[in-house]
Amino acid sequence: DQQVKQNSPSLSVQEGRISILNCDYTNSMFDYFLWYKKYPAEGPTFLISISSIKDKNEDGRFTVFLNKSAKHLSLHIVPSQPGDSAVYFCAARGMEYGNKLVFGAGTILRVKS
Amino acid sequence: ETGVTQTPRHLVMGMTNKKSLKCEQHLGHNAMYWYKQSAKKPLELMFVYNFKEQTENNSVPSRFSPECPNSSHLFLHLHTLQPEDSALYLCASSPIRGADTQYFGPGTRLTVL
Repeated sequence: DQQVKQNSPSLSVQEGRISILNCDYTNSMFDYFLWYKKYPAEGPTFLISISSIKDKNEDGRFTVFLNKSAKHLSLHIVPSQPGDSAVYFCAARGMEYGNKLVFGAGTILRVKS
Repeated sequence: ETGVTQTPRHLVMGMTNKKSLKCEQHLGHNAMYWYKQSAKKPLELMFVYNFKEQTENNSVPSRFSPECPNSSHLFLHLHTLQPEDSALYLCASSPIRGADTQYFGPGTRLTVL
């Protein structure tokens, strides 16, 4: 049973518009959440993270929102650029799991120019 | 440049072959990880090493045998694999076990015939 779920396998967005990638988790003991980005033939690279004591973290065009009551987080990219086209993985961590990262299955983002 | 390299990038092997995957990190980290990524599935943690000692074996079959001779190198020895073991195998490192951010290599695409 997946504890971190990315229910949208893919998302297509026009350049300049907002991309919103969603992630749901089941374990309330997760206390830290990360987003990774993966290009073809490359490994995942860290993008942005958020601690459970916050509800928002912003880094340039990327903002992550955390709704603990709904066990939901989202990544907003605005404005979206063609170079943002990649697979985005959500990951969660909690002491109960020895601080291992638990990943979602990923969402493929395509930004059309 | 992620600082984590993996060789080979692609590997095709028969079920009776023995092969090894290599990972090297140039980041001065002390923790290293092996992950498996099957198509449309989340990254699955396989093994964790911290200061050369194995701290996690995520119920991985014995046909996968990890080796960590020092903090910079990690191997995954493969023998008598099954076709369902075909996947992308990713190596990652972090400053210490459980650190927030892990740095990934590009992966080895393994095909078992």
